[in-house]
Amino acid sequence: GAVVSQHPSWVICKSGTSVKIECRSLDFQATTMFWYRQFPKQSLMLMATSNEGSKATYEQGVEKDKFLINHASLTLSTLTVTSAHPEDSSFYICSADGQAKNIQYFGAGTRLSVL
Amino acid sequence: GESVGLHLPTLSVQEGDNSIINCAYSNSASDYFIWYKQESGKGPQFIIDIRSNMDKRQGQRVTVLLNKTVKHLSLQIAATQPGDSAVYFCAEKGQWGYSTLTFGKGTMLLVSP
Repeated sequence: GAVVSQHPSWVICKSGTSVKIECRSLDFQATTMFWYRQFPKQSLMLMATSNEGSKATYEQGVEKDKFLINHASLTLSTLTVTSAHPEDSSFYICSADGQAKNIQYFGAGTRLSVL
Repeated sequence: GESVGLHLPTLSVQEGDNSIINCAYSNSASDYFIWYKQESGKGPQFIIDIRSNMDKRQGQRVTVLLNKTVKHLSLQIAATQPGDSAVYFCAEKGQWGYSTLTFGKGTMLLVSP
């Protein structure tokens, strides 16, 4: 149980285009999902907390107009990187609170490369 | 032995050894702690958790120790296997049930056959 699916696993895009990443909880409902960013050999940095049916809460320094988050259902949250630039290249990982709301279950991550 | 790389400390052990991975957490008010394992190119995988009212918890081949006095957490892996090679992160939560996790810097575990 508690499987989180993230898609795509890898995406390459041209500078200036937008990329959407999906995060789904497959066997449970997640009122709260999280989006992280991870650079090579570094830890996970929380970008935003996504609550179903309401606006996401962004961490300090994360541009909400750059990283659009939508959490329209209890099983799906999306992150759209708008007008991507090479510095946006990174590993993006989503997670969802489990039923007990203490353990976060993570997706497999999305490797974004912006050319 | 243990070494510190550019960003990520590394622990190198032989197969069959016991491994101890350490973590210093930041918030003395943190109530809940989790160890995650992250293999290359994948998302973190839950290993074991512990609440602040405990000082030890055991799982299958893993043990987590919590020392609140010095804000220290450790993960012990018994009979380490090559498949245990990964980056291990500790994470803390401010309150039981409160959602946001704060991750530590991580330790890379390399297991030689």
